[in-house]
Amino acid sequence: GQQVMQIPQYQHVQEGEDFTTYCNSSTTLSNIQWYKQRPGGHPVFLIQLVKSGEVKKQKRLTFQFGEAKKNSSLHITATQTTDVGTYFCAGYNYGQNFVFGPGTRLSVLP
Amino acid sequence: DGGITQSPKYLFRKEGQNVTLSCEQNLNHDAMYWYRQDPGQGLRLIYYSQIVNDFQKGDIAEGYSVSREKKESFPLTVTSAQKNPTAFYLCASSIRGTSGNRQETQYFGPGTRLLVL
Repeated sequence: GQQVMQIPQYQHVQEGEDFTTYCNSSTTLSNIQWYKQRPGGHPVFLIQLVKSGEVKKQKRLTFQFGEAKKNSSLHITATQTTDVGTYFCAGYNYGQNFVFGPGTRLSVLP
Repeated sequence: DGGITQSPKYLFRKEGQNVTLSCEQNLNHDAMYWYRQDPGQGLRLIYYSQIVNDFQKGDIAEGYSVSREKKESFPLTVTSAQKNPTAFYLCASSIRGTSGNRQETQYFGPGTRLLVL
């Protein structure tokens, strides 16, 4: 079945440094979504990517969908302590279940 | 976020006992989902429902059961057949399930932590 992988599993950065997490699917995806889960909280939707090569920005966050629609990335510029949490990608392909990646846990040191 | 309630926040289960986790939404969403999250891991789909009186198994349905008698409610029962039920259970909803060839945005409830005594 479809598998979604994310790297790195953990990332520790100093406040102000940049951060990137990568998401890779074993199959081509119709769309991919990114969610953020704060410690002790529940996942919250960040963004959805649909088109091949699509790039979307939300303030300091930049999301990209690969040309082959099998990978995606989330880049945070100049991290802040409010960015702490686990970032999940989740991918969908027609006829299969929506699959979440294992997440990348971000720690930001002040 | 918002509009989806889960209860209780913490739940303790004894060996051999069935327990039911509640999930209610007032967002008028058609689709609802149950996920299991283990420490340090991602979300795994247990069951989902795209319409009232219909539901489908997810990736890890064994030992769980659901019902969808009302649009607003999607309770999950963790049966005694689930040998390792300790986890964080998350309910979610979306306006529709799959729309055309894409998955709609999911909105999550606050979750229920289930512990086995």
